[in-house]
Amino acid sequence: AQSVTQLDSQVPVFEEAPVELRCNYSSSVSVYLFWYVQYPNQGLQLLLKYLSGSTLVKGINGFEAEFNKSQTSFHLRKPSVHISDTAEYFCAVSGAGYGNKLVFGAGTILRVKS
Amino acid sequence: GAVVSQHPSRVICKSGTSVKIECRSLDFQATTMFWYRQFPKQSLMLMATSNEGSKATYEQGVEKDKFLINHASLTLSTLTVTSAHPEDSSFYICSATPPGQGNTIYFGEGSWLTVV
Repeated sequence: AQSVTQLDSQVPVFEEAPVELRCNYSSSVSVYLFWYVQYPNQGLQLLLKYLSGSTLVKGINGFEAEFNKSQTSFHLRKPSVHISDTAEYFCAVSGAGYGNKLVFGAGTILRVKS
Repeated sequence: GAVVSQHPSRVICKSGTSVKIECRSLDFQATTMFWYRQFPKQSLMLMATSNEGSKATYEQGVEKDKFLINHASLTLSTLTVTSAHPEDSSFYICSATPPGQGNTIYFGEGSWLTVV
């Protein structure tokens, strides 16, 4: 079975400050990891994904994430956030043998303040 | 690029009625589609795997007789919420992957269901 834990339900941060949203996973098979963003009353948008290869993954809107197998983590980072980054962020995992079924974390609400 | 489209985007229905949500792959054939739901202020949970030409596979705790899934063609899966109740009010979203694109997952825009 697979599971995802997002350690923070809400993260408040000031505009232009750096941010890290934490994600830990559990899986018995090789994993594929994803970060999605959901703006209020909208659907899901893929920020980035890790399938294999380089552990540092760069995504859209200046976000990046690092896959750490030993710590089973896939934390999302951005060096300088904008008001427009205010949204809910979901970490998700899939894996070998699971097709493209995703298990989502509970989500982290990022609130960027001016 | 590949697009997955859902319809309707928002629907309000009366308690006790049924409502159908469509998920279409617009420029590729999808033998498998996934349906998720998201209750207010909660995460997304996989409901079922929709398989073209065969029965859907439901996740534990999802009532198959209440949430009817039909994948009658390679580009269309439908989710029908039967005898809807206010507690079925949720955000329903589907996903699909084009053949040969491995772990590229496309989500529909999602459908907001409100049962009054």
